[in-house]
Amino acid sequence: EAQVTQNPRYLITVTGKKLTVTCSQNMNHEYMSWYRQDPGLGLRQIYYSMNVEVTDKGDVPEGYKVSRKEKRNFPLILESPSPNQTSLYFCASSLSRQGAGGYTFGSGTRLTVV
Amino acid sequence: AQKVTQAQTEISVVEKEDVTLDCVYETRDTTYYLFWYKQPPSGELVFLIRRNSFDEQNEISGRYSWNFQKSTSSFNFTITASQVVDSAVYFCALFTGGGNKLTFGTGTQLKVEL
Repeated sequence: EAQVTQNPRYLITVTGKKLTVTCSQNMNHEYMSWYRQDPGLGLRQIYYSMNVEVTDKGDVPEGYKVSRKEKRNFPLILESPSPNQTSLYFCASSLSRQGAGGYTFGSGTRLTVV
Repeated sequence: AQKVTQAQTEISVVEKEDVTLDCVYETRDTTYYLFWYKQPPSGELVFLIRRNSFDEQNEISGRYSWNFQKSTSSFNFTITASQVVDSAVYFCALFTGGGNKLTFGTGTQLKVEL
């Protein structure tokens, strides 16, 4: 089944403790991106990647890192999480950056930083 | 800069009513892509449609239809004979090559009651 897999689905952590949210797609998509969803703000892009080793900042990159060492994986790293990073996170992938065929989203990761 | 406005925060209808969700976008790019996504209570994001800026034909898919009007920068979504299963948050989104990202509106919560 074609899908984007995010892990974990839920995570509660403490301020300052480094964490990684994994994202993997099995569709050989070139384009991958991370979003956060907050009430009243919709989804905002954190980082995106157009191919292996090619990443760039989105609208809200502060406090986040990403890497794209393999085409299928695009992990999101929070080096020192803070409470304002409590949010619902989505990973997405697409055949092209323009979203040919639509962007496929993972099931989401609900992160709480206390 | 690009922007997507979904002015309707919440809409409530009775089952079998028709309902239109509004989406107004802003961009200076001549080439862009518009999307609609559905987010049911379970939280995942479901792709509904992608439309490019050169194709102004309206589209119908079952009970769903979309009206794209470049003259008013709008891409409205109509559900005919709504059903309880249509209850969800609906997001309109815009991709422009200049911004190289997908910009979402803040979403419209649709509640369909019996």
